[in-house]
Amino acid sequence: SQKIEQNSEALNIQEGKTATLTCNYTNYSPAYLQWYRQDPGRGPVFLLLIRENEKEKRKERLKVTFDTTLKQSLFHITASQPADSATYLCALDGTGGSQGNLIFGKGTKLSVKP
Amino acid sequence: NAGVTQTPKFQVLKTGQSMTLQCAQDMNHEYMSWYRQDPGMGLRLIHYSVGAGITDQGEVPNGYNVSRSTTEDFPLRLLSAAPSQTSVYFCASRVPGQGSDTQYFGPGTRLTVL
Repeated sequence: SQKIEQNSEALNIQEGKTATLTCNYTNYSPAYLQWYRQDPGRGPVFLLLIRENEKEKRKERLKVTFDTTLKQSLFHITASQPADSATYLCALDGTGGSQGNLIFGKGTKLSVKP
Repeated sequence: NAGVTQTPKFQVLKTGQSMTLQCAQDMNHEYMSWYRQDPGMGLRLIHYSVGAGITDQGEVPNGYNVSRSTTEDFPLRLLSAAPSQTSVYFCASRVPGQGSDTQYFGPGTRLTVL
């Protein structure tokens, strides 16, 4: 069955450094992959989507890569700030079809220390 | 736009009680879904709907019912609450297949079953 793994449950970094979060998947070839941010007590908020034919996507200080050979996506936050502290979720298009059921990873909790 | 709204925010039930978690969206999205989020388990899909009058099961549907009589509303019913249904429930909506596959989440309902 499809499986999605975010390798680290928690990641602690110093302010100003680049945070790199990893998402791996198996038994599937998704049409796209998404990253969400979730703050405590709130619902996930969409950040970025990258399609299978895209290698890299950027949005302000965020960068996502998608390697379909390695079956892996990397999510980078450059010049990290304490306000970036949150849990980050990756999600795959579980069916590949228009219904778009998303399968989510368990998330990585990022803490950025001043 | 209010986006995706959920009521109530918190609920405590006794085992065997029934209740309905409400979800509404004002973005005219065809696709709506319900997830539950448990520590260490990530977000898991309960039920989803691709349009009014159409519903289907997700990964963990047992003990839950849904209906979709309008585009705006997608209530989730717990038939006979069990302690295993203690969780945080998120409703989400999106417009699939439009090239913009962003999923919008509600703020969540925190349910405790005693």
